[in-house]
Amino acid sequence: EVQLVQSGAEVKKPGESLKISCKASGYNFAKYWIGWVRQMPEKGLEWVAIIFPDDSDTRYSPSFQGQVTISADRSITTAYLQWTSLKASDTAIYYCARLFYYASANYYGMDVWGQGTTVTVSS
Amino acid sequence: EIVMTQSPATLSVSPGERATLSCRASQSVNSNLAWYQQKPGQPPRLLIYAASTRATGLPARFSGSGSGTEFTLIISSLQSEDFAVYYCQQYNDWPLYTFGQGTKLEIK
Repeated sequence: EVQLVQSGAEVKKPGESLKISCKASGYNFAKYWIGWVRQMPEKGLEWVAIIFPDDSDTRYSPSFQGQVTISADRSITTAYLQWTSLKASDTAIYYCARLFYYASANYYGMDVWGQGTTVTVSS
Repeated sequence: EIVMTQSPATLSVSPGERATLSCRASQSVNSNLAWYQQKPGQPPRLLIYAASTRATGLPARFSGSGSGTEFTLIISSLQSEDFAVYYCQQYNDWPLYTFGQGTKLEIK
């Protein structure tokens, strides 16, 4: 069974650093893009960043470029999203998701999702 | 960046009735449009891609249409499990796939 299991909820202060994780199982981790989506409280979905673990090719949404860092460790089939200096506005649920290539549509759709990691940043 | 705008923000429909959700792109995305459903406390679920292709296992009461800048998701006979938030997503602009702000489908 293809599964993504995310790390637990975090409560941090502004200015602190954080790294959340997404452990993949049941498929060839290196050969699929994996990405992160943000959902702020009572708000919609925002595309954050994606990574191709096989060669660590990374792509960021312009809104998040320079604000977060995506990475992956193929040896433990885990993707990460990290911050060096959190802000209150980073408070959100962060979902990781596998991107499956629907060839007929030339579309990398998010077909399997993690359960979400709640990040709360408050002084 | 392509901006996706969904309407209405909230739609109230009775079970068994038909729901029509709209999504508009700020520029043409051809047929490169997907729909996701999200229920409270759950991650999103892919429903439709290529504007009208249903994901595996999706009931036929869900149908998508449109191309260019105007898209529609129709749920023909609402079941209790269909009440959720629906998001459109364009994927014409790889890798910057942008979502709409969502339509909440609630029970009337």
